[in-house]
Amino acid sequence: EPEVTQTPSHQVTQMGQEVILRCVPISNHLYFYWYRQILGQKVEFLVSFYNNEISEKSEIFDDQFSVERPDGSNFTLKIRSTKLEDSAMYFCASSTGGGGGSTDTQYFGPGTRLTVL
Amino acid sequence: QQQVKQSPQSLIVQKGGISIINCAYENTAFDYFPWYQQFPGKGPALLIAIRPDVSEKKEGRFTISFNKSAKQFSLHIMDSQPGDSATYFCAASRGSGGSNYKLTFGKGTLLTVNP
Repeated sequence: EPEVTQTPSHQVTQMGQEVILRCVPISNHLYFYWYRQILGQKVEFLVSFYNNEISEKSEIFDDQFSVERPDGSNFTLKIRSTKLEDSAMYFCASSTGGGGGSTDTQYFGPGTRLTVL
Repeated sequence: QQQVKQSPQSLIVQKGGISIINCAYENTAFDYFPWYQQFPGKGPALLIAIRPDVSEKKEGRFTISFNKSAKQFSLHIMDSQPGDSATYFCAASRGSGGSNYKLTFGKGTLLTVNP
């Protein structure tokens, strides 16, 4: 069964450093998302991406964050200058469609645990 | 207005029992309500979802009950099994219009099913 993959599984970085989190969405999916989950808290939406542009972003997704689909398979989240509060699990998700119908299920990857020291 | 409130925070049931998790939402524009199941070290996985044109949806041992007037929905797990032990998240989104809509998640319920 196709699945969303993410690398690395765990990233440790120093405050102020740039990190790039990588995702390979399911191959025929057109809509891509990043969510994050701070330890013990709920999953929070960061950004959605379609047709090579951001569709929606949350207030968390400030100028330190960017997303890119550099080729036909990868979807990346870059944090330019990491802060301690960026420590979280980051999930990539993808879907065929963009609405809430049965064909538009968002499939989540296993996540990247980001630890900022 | 974007919040989805979920309770209880944790739940312990015996094998064979019924697990019930409740969620309430505020935004009346929400029209898609999925439940996700998350095992430790894994990403959330869709379990079952409902749209507000029906009051109940059943898939195997899992049932969603939906009360549009009360803006509440719940997950019932019948004949709970130790393998159901996981964190369950309710979520909501606006599903119409063809645009990609974010999921707004509840805070999650840690379910433990004792053998």
